[in-house]
Amino acid sequence: DAGVTQSPTHLIKTRGQQVTLRCSPKSGHDTVSWYQQALGQGPQFIFQYYEEEERQRGNFPDRFSGHQFPNYSSELNVNALLLGDSALYLCASSSYYNEQFFGPGTRLTVL
Amino acid sequence: QQQVKQSPQSLIVQKGGIPIINCAYENTAFDYFPWYQQFPGKGPALLIAIRPDVSEKKEGRFTISFNKSAKQFSLHIMDSQPGDSATYFCAARPPAGTYKYIFGTGTRLKVLA
Repeated sequence: DAGVTQSPTHLIKTRGQQVTLRCSPKSGHDTVSWYQQALGQGPQFIFQYYEEEERQRGNFPDRFSGHQFPNYSSELNVNALLLGDSALYLCASSSYYNEQFFGPGTRLTVL
Repeated sequence: QQQVKQSPQSLIVQKGGIPIINCAYENTAFDYFPWYQQFPGKGPALLIAIRPDVSEKKEGRFTISFNKSAKQFSLHIMDSQPGDSATYFCAARPPAGTYKYIFGTGTRLKVLA
């Protein structure tokens, strides 16, 4: 079992650009959550996807959007990047309301 | 009311010591309290978790103590080792029907050899 995988590992973008991050959930999991972790802070919930629908959303602007595919993998899209979007983006997968497992994250740097 | 307050921000102990990390919450509807361990460049990994109907839970060298009336819970690491040096996060999960875990701000632990 490969666990939760994320790609790419690192990404450098400039302000105003758009970025897409990808996540493959742990085998048997159908729910994917995305978190933003700024340096020295705890993860902040962005949104969660289940059955290809956004089920719940945290306090993030509409520039942050996502998608879940029929195979349960997911993408996080961020438009019009700001310097403050620089962070580690974590994907976590779970099954129904059970414990979530995190991937290694994607480190996004916005210049 | 949705915050989880974690302390201390950082902690240094000698090998074999027992570091204690504390968290406090406001929302009595939280129903699940996990602790995560995170090494640099890695995602958080679940260490141990507790539900509010239990006052203590042990798994190996890790123990959670839970005080429901005080709305506080803590992580104790017995016989700490240099390999335990990491950042530890407490979290709280809202009740069924909401899904966003609320994380504390983290405690950076260093265990000296």
